[in-house]
Amino acid sequence: QVQLVESGGGVVQPGRSLRLSCAASGFTFRRHAMHWVRQAPGKGLLWVTVMSSDGYNKYSEDSVKGRFTISRDNSKNMLFLQMNSLRPEDTATYYCAREAEGALDVWGQGTLVTVSS
Amino acid sequence: DIQMTQSPSSLSASVGDRVTISCRAGQSISNYLNWYQQKPGKAPELLIYAASSLKSGVPSRFSGSGSGTDFTLTISSLQPEDFATYYCQQSFSTPAPTFGGGTKVEIK
Repeated sequence: QVQLVESGGGVVQPGRSLRLSCAASGFTFRRHAMHWVRQAPGKGLLWVTVMSSDGYNKYSEDSVKGRFTISRDNSKNMLFLQMNSLRPEDTATYYCAREAEGALDVWGQGTLVTVSS
Repeated sequence: DIQMTQSPSSLSASVGDRVTISCRAGQSISNYLNWYQQKPGKAPELLIYAASSLKSGVPSRFSGSGSGTDFTLTISSLQPEDFATYYCQQSFSTPAPTFGGGTKVEIK
């Protein structure tokens, strides 16, 4: 079945780095743009970043520009989020999501990132 | 960025009630509007795309309407499994979508 599974979350100190992974299965990964969306505890959804299906184009929300980098490996059906210079306000559950005609039609279960000393 | 404003932020309703949730965009977004449902501890799920198209498998009691700046999600007869938080999302300004603040539907 169509599935996205995130991994790599955990507790990290401010200023450190973390790399999230998202494994896709059950669909043709290389045909879809892929997004990361985050949700701080008790808060709403915030779009973070997107990468085009071919990996050539990517865009990020202002607060993570220069710190977070999205990438993908279409040969392995994998999406990644490299997070550097982490701040306490980056604490959130991070979801990867598949885009289809502008909507995010498949979501992973999420992985929790906690930035704390 | 296109701002998305949902109202109300929360509501209480009973099983069987008709529920409407509003979403207003800061500028015209045509019909580039999607609705999601999120239950506690779970990932969001797409309900409606392009303002009024029901995703396959979503119960027909859910419907969406609107275009331009004003949109509505309607649940015709609220069921116990519908108690959740609902988010609108604009996909007009690709590739950077924005979400509304959410509407929590609680049991009266």
